[in-house]
Amino acid sequence: GAVVSQHPSRVICKSGTSVKIECRSLDFQATTMFWYRQFPKQSLMLMATSNEGSKATYEQGVEKDKFLINHASLTLSTLTVTSAHPEDSSFYICSARDQATGVEAFFGQGTRLTVV
Amino acid sequence: GNSVTQMEGPVTLSEEAFLTINCTYTATGYPSLFWYVQYPGEGLQLLLKATKADDKGSNKGFEATYRKETTSFHLEKGSVQVSDSAVYFCALSVRTSYDKVIFGPGTSLSVIP
Repeated sequence: GAVVSQHPSRVICKSGTSVKIECRSLDFQATTMFWYRQFPKQSLMLMATSNEGSKATYEQGVEKDKFLINHASLTLSTLTVTSAHPEDSSFYICSARDQATGVEAFFGQGTRLTVV
Repeated sequence: GNSVTQMEGPVTLSEEAFLTINCTYTATGYPSLFWYVQYPGEGLQLLLKATKADDKGSNKGFEATYRKETTSFHLEKGSVQVSDSAVYFCALSVRTSYDKVIFGPGTSLSVIP
């Protein structure tokens, strides 16, 4: 199946700094990618839809100035957590669908962000 | 709106026991249905899928049948193994312009020897 690679898998940063997470589709092009957040022992919450070449679409309640999304190419989307605070600590997961081959979304391995 | 409801765990079973995790959905339009599995500390892996009514998805001994009349997609396995211990998410997507995946709350399964 299609492969989505996410990097880094773990990151620890200090409060007030920014962290960038990359999501790549390795063997297909993705005009749309999705970013999710998962709190411990909870389900995935969709944060935003990343659109290649245009602005991301954010879900209600998600601060677009805090979670900057850039989708500059058909294989790469980035999520930048700006001015991180401890409450931003979470598991972030991206996904993409190979529109040419199927209906299922493929997920990256996730990024564990810890803000200290 | 679109939503997924599934039985919440944790579920604890002995090895070789029968597993059922119930999942029901609400959707506008005609959704595709999925089961994803998340092992500790990892991302999500697609376990199986079904795209139309009466389709049966199967993989690694797991099965689920798309039941439109009951809006259900229950996950079953005849004999679980310790290695099946994970969190299982039922999910749906509707072919809108964004193809968002809507997840259920997840069911934690622990299989003990």
